[in-house]
Amino acid sequence: NAGVMQNPRHLVRRRGQEARLRCSPMKGHSHVYWYRQLPEEGLKFMVYLQKENIIDESGMPKERFSAEFPKEGPSILRIQQVVRGDSAAYFCASSLRTERGETQYFGPGTRLLVL
Amino acid sequence: GNSVTQMEGPVTLSEEAFLTINCTYTATGYPSLFWYVQYPGEGLQLLLKATKADDKGSNKGFEATYRKETTSFHLEKGSVQVSDSAVYFCALSRGNNNAGNMLTFGGGTRLMVKP
Repeated sequence: NAGVMQNPRHLVRRRGQEARLRCSPMKGHSHVYWYRQLPEEGLKFMVYLQKENIIDESGMPKERFSAEFPKEGPSILRIQQVVRGDSAAYFCASSLRTERGETQYFGPGTRLLVL
Repeated sequence: GNSVTQMEGPVTLSEEAFLTINCTYTATGYPSLFWYVQYPGEGLQLLLKATKADDKGSNKGFEATYRKETTSFHLEKGSVQVSDSAVYFCALSRGNNNAGNMLTFGGGTRLMVKP
């Protein structure tokens, strides 16, 4: 019963490069949320996706950031032309919604360091 | 908008001491409330949850009661262990909303338990 998988666990990029973060939800889960955690802070919501659809991207910066959750394969968070301020831990969570509600299960995170 | 406020840490306790971490929230409607725990270098693990007023969530000796009248969800444990050392996050979501149930997190409280 594999949990939420994220890779890579650690990613180092130089300013101006692209970062691509992957998230595989738990089996049977069709909802994916991405959060960002800056050092010594709580998590902040970025984007919510269902298969092939972005439902809410209100927490995601308008430029350089994009996300997708294709019909097949993992969800991808893509950051173009990274800057030092993008250094953070990025967590995804997947969930299954039932009539009893929804609980999100988190992956181990990708720690991005921009040099 | 929604917000969560939790006591700042670090909280340092001796083993077998009583733990309380305060959490209050501001939200419209009837949110679901959660406590997550984060061990060093890892993702968030769900510790307990409550989905309606007066519900008590419990797990591994930890408890929290959903108090609507005081908009609080304080975390308690009667006797802490060194292995409980971690960062604890209080969070809320909208409940069961088709437009998404993104979590709003508090800033986290670091707990250090000394032998």
